[in-house]
Amino acid sequence: AQSVTQLDSHVSVSEGTPVLLRCNYSSSYSPSLFWYVQHPNKGLQLLLKYTSAATLVKGINGFEAEFKKSETSFHLTKPSAHMSDAAEYFCVVSEAAGNKLTFGGGTRVLVKP
Amino acid sequence: GAVVSQHPSWVICKSGTSVKIECRSLDFQATTMFWYRQFPKQSLMLMATSNEGSKATYEQGVEKDKFLINHASLTLSTLTVTSAHPEDSSFYICSAGRQGVVNQPQHFGDGTRLSIL
Repeated sequence: AQSVTQLDSHVSVSEGTPVLLRCNYSSSYSPSLFWYVQHPNKGLQLLLKYTSAATLVKGINGFEAEFKKSETSFHLTKPSAHMSDAAEYFCVVSEAAGNKLTFGGGTRVLVKP
Repeated sequence: GAVVSQHPSWVICKSGTSVKIECRSLDFQATTMFWYRQFPKQSLMLMATSNEGSKATYEQGVEKDKFLINHASLTLSTLTVTSAHPEDSSFYICSAGRQGVVNQPQHFGDGTRLSIL
């Protein structure tokens, strides 16, 4: 069985400051991990993915995440937050077969001007 | 551009009505699609896995007679909420992945906001 824990339900940052969204996972397999962003009343947009290649993954919009197997973590970071980054972020782990996804509880990011 | 199209975006209807939601993969074939439900300020909850040409696989606690899934072609899955009631009001989202590739990112539709009066 697999599970995902997002350690913060809400994160508030000032525009131009770094953003850190924390994610820990458990999986019986070598996992594939994803970060998705969801804006209000919208579907999910893929930010980045880890699929057993480089442990530091760069995504869209300046986001990146580092896979740390020893810590079972996949934290998402961005050096400088923009107002448009205000949204809900989901850390997701994928089963080895079948592409079935398990979602974290989500982290809502608020960006203050 | 969008690779998964979901329709309609919003539905408001009376209690007892059945509502059909469509999920289409636009530029790829998808033997498997997924249907999720999302309550306000909560994460996505997988409802069922839609399998082209065969029966859907439902998650525990999801009523298969209430939420009918049909995956008649490699690019279309439909979710029908039968005899909908106010407690069925929610945000429903589908996803699909490119056929034959495991651990690939899923592409999500924009969701359907269902409001039952």
